[in-house]
Amino acid sequence: DAGVIQSPRHEVTEMGQEVTLRCKPISGHDYLFWYRQTMMRGLELLIYFNNNVPIDDSGMPEDRFSAKMPNASFSTLKIQPSEPRDSAVYFCASSFSTGSSYNEQFFGPGTRLTVL
Amino acid sequence: AQSVAQPEDQVNVAEGNPLTVKCTYSVSGNPYLFWYVQYPNRGLQFLLKYITGDNLVKGSYGFEAEFNKSQTSFHLKKPSALVSDSALYFCAVRDKDTDKLIFGTGTRLQVFP
Repeated sequence: DAGVIQSPRHEVTEMGQEVTLRCKPISGHDYLFWYRQTMMRGLELLIYFNNNVPIDDSGMPEDRFSAKMPNASFSTLKIQPSEPRDSAVYFCASSFSTGSSYNEQFFGPGTRLTVL
Repeated sequence: AQSVAQPEDQVNVAEGNPLTVKCTYSVSGNPYLFWYVQYPNRGLQFLLKYITGDNLVKGSYGFEAEFNKSQTSFHLKKPSALVSDSALYFCAVRDKDTDKLIFGTGTRLQVFP
């Protein structure tokens, strides 16, 4: 298995532009998570999906951020308009549920976003 | 609220020596605890987890962690450190109310040759 795939790996954009980050979870996983990592704030959970349905988006910083999961193999995180303070590494992770057990999350390599 | 604390920002150890990276937790009920490692410019990688059972959990790359309920701790250990173990280590606990993973702030491990 190729693991969680994220694209692009690096994105440099100018303030005000729209940014779209993409994620392909591991096949068969039914949970998908979007995280943001910065030096100041550490690792923050933005939103997560279960069976393509958004369950908790309380970590999404503001209305400029939106996430979708149109099918089990694809998710996007969009920032519109982008601001310099959005500069961070964005991670996608996926996991699977097996009844009573709680399984680990598998992380993608991340997208390093720089907003100038 | 569920939380974990990693009291050390950085741990330095000489290659070949034992290492310990500390983690304490605060949860209601029985905790589900995890350790992850992050190498430079990479995503987090799962090392091990404690759900129930034996208090000593063995994981990847020779790491192990000891669950101590009385001290509410879940320290990560390795008997003999390698330079290649140098990375950022995160402890995490599952929030049972939301299914989220609550991560600690991370501890940077530096292993010197």
